[in-house]
Amino acid sequence: ETGVTQTPRHLVMGMTNKKSLKCEQHLGHNAMYWYKQSAKKPLELMFVYSLEERVENNSVPSRFSPECPNSSHLFLHLHTLQPEDSALYLCASSRELAPTYEQYFGPGTRLTVT
Amino acid sequence: DAKTTQPNSMESNEEEPVHLPCNHSTISGTDYIHWYRQLPSQGPEYVIHGLTSNVNNRMASLAIAEDRKSSTLILHRATLRDAAVYYCILRGFDEKAAGNKLTFGGGTRVLVKP
Repeated sequence: ETGVTQTPRHLVMGMTNKKSLKCEQHLGHNAMYWYKQSAKKPLELMFVYSLEERVENNSVPSRFSPECPNSSHLFLHLHTLQPEDSALYLCASSRELAPTYEQYFGPGTRLTVT
Repeated sequence: DAKTTQPNSMESNEEEPVHLPCNHSTISGTDYIHWYRQLPSQGPEYVIHGLTSNVNNRMASLAIAEDRKSSTLILHRATLRDAAVYYCILRGFDEKAAGNKLTFGGGTRVLVKP
């Protein structure tokens, strides 16, 4: 138990659906992250938030839309996804954004797009 | 961006040490070297990090080359629970958003034989 929870743990959606992934951290951290992990590929950083403000968007398609309503919660809204978007989506948090702080990861949401 | 290079896999016997190398020849002066591991069906877990000096904690030791172009994660006595994929990651300061620069390697899959 890392103090970072993600729901749902598994999600199957069609290409025309709209769904949201939720992440919550109980650690009092100020920075939160979304990652994508595809089979046989390195972890890809998608979005970074610091104190609820987005500070990084790594060329992610607009069909992925993040939201950070407060420092404890992070959402990833999904719409009109493609089958190649099927992957493990991981949320993480750290005390601050600086590289001196380690990240705590949630268990991930396994997404399948049909 | 600086990149990391790791061997795809390594095998070890239980109770023996494991030395996991990582090359990062284009590391910049402000990049921290972080190590994480990922057990099957779980999110990544922080192991250790350092900047210039060698570091020890309850999980492992990190040996950093004097020129910082490579580092080695040392598991002193491997157990079956240490079987995982180990990622060497560089985290540095970015002029646009502090601390958000992250570069991942492909990871090393560690197999521990009883």
